[in-house]
Amino acid sequence: AQSVAQPEDQVNVAEGNPLTVKCTYSVSGNPYLFWYVQYPNRGLQFLLKYITGDNLVKGSYGFEAEFNKSQTSFHLKKPSALVSDSALYFCAVRDRMDSNYQLIWGAGTKLIIKP
Amino acid sequence: NAGVTQTPKFQVLKTGQSMTLQCAQDMNHEYMSWYRQDPGMGLRLIHYSVGAGITDQGEVPNGYNVSRSTTEDFPLRLLSAAPSQTSVYFCASSSTSGGALEYFGPGTRLTVL
Repeated sequence: AQSVAQPEDQVNVAEGNPLTVKCTYSVSGNPYLFWYVQYPNRGLQFLLKYITGDNLVKGSYGFEAEFNKSQTSFHLKKPSALVSDSALYFCAVRDRMDSNYQLIWGAGTKLIIKP
Repeated sequence: NAGVTQTPKFQVLKTGQSMTLQCAQDMNHEYMSWYRQDPGMGLRLIHYSVGAGITDQGEVPNGYNVSRSTTEDFPLRLLSAAPSQTSVYFCASSSTSGGALEYFGPGTRLTVL
């Protein structure tokens, strides 16, 4: 079965420190990979995606993620965290062969950046 | 572009009542979907559509109906509301390119008493 795992319900980081939010996936084919962010009482906003090419993808607000095919991972990273990065982060995967275009979502990771 | 719009933003229903959550997009996207978001559960797909006149069930379709008569609109109907349907509902749309982004509406917070 296709699935996405975000193994940490919550990640706590001090402001200015690097942050990592983990995501691993299981799909039958080659994946499209996405990260979205949700601020309190808001909808989801796109951060970055991997389609093809360079395994290191850069996105909005200084975030980046690395696609690792052998480890089936797509961890989200930022070199220096800001308090304003505190939010709920979702990893999502779409199988390239899925004609229904469905996204498979992780359960989300709450990121808390402390001043 | 208004993007994806949803109405209402908040709604309180009594058990057994019915209602329709409205969703519209102005990006000419073929694909539209409805999710519900519950604490600790992430997003769960209720129904989706790959084009006008075509709908299909997602992970949690029971108690909900959808229709897609136009490309722009994708309403979600609650047939007989139950407390278990208390949730935040998001509508999303995308093109049918596999790498396409899903664009989300602002959400509807529904409480069923």
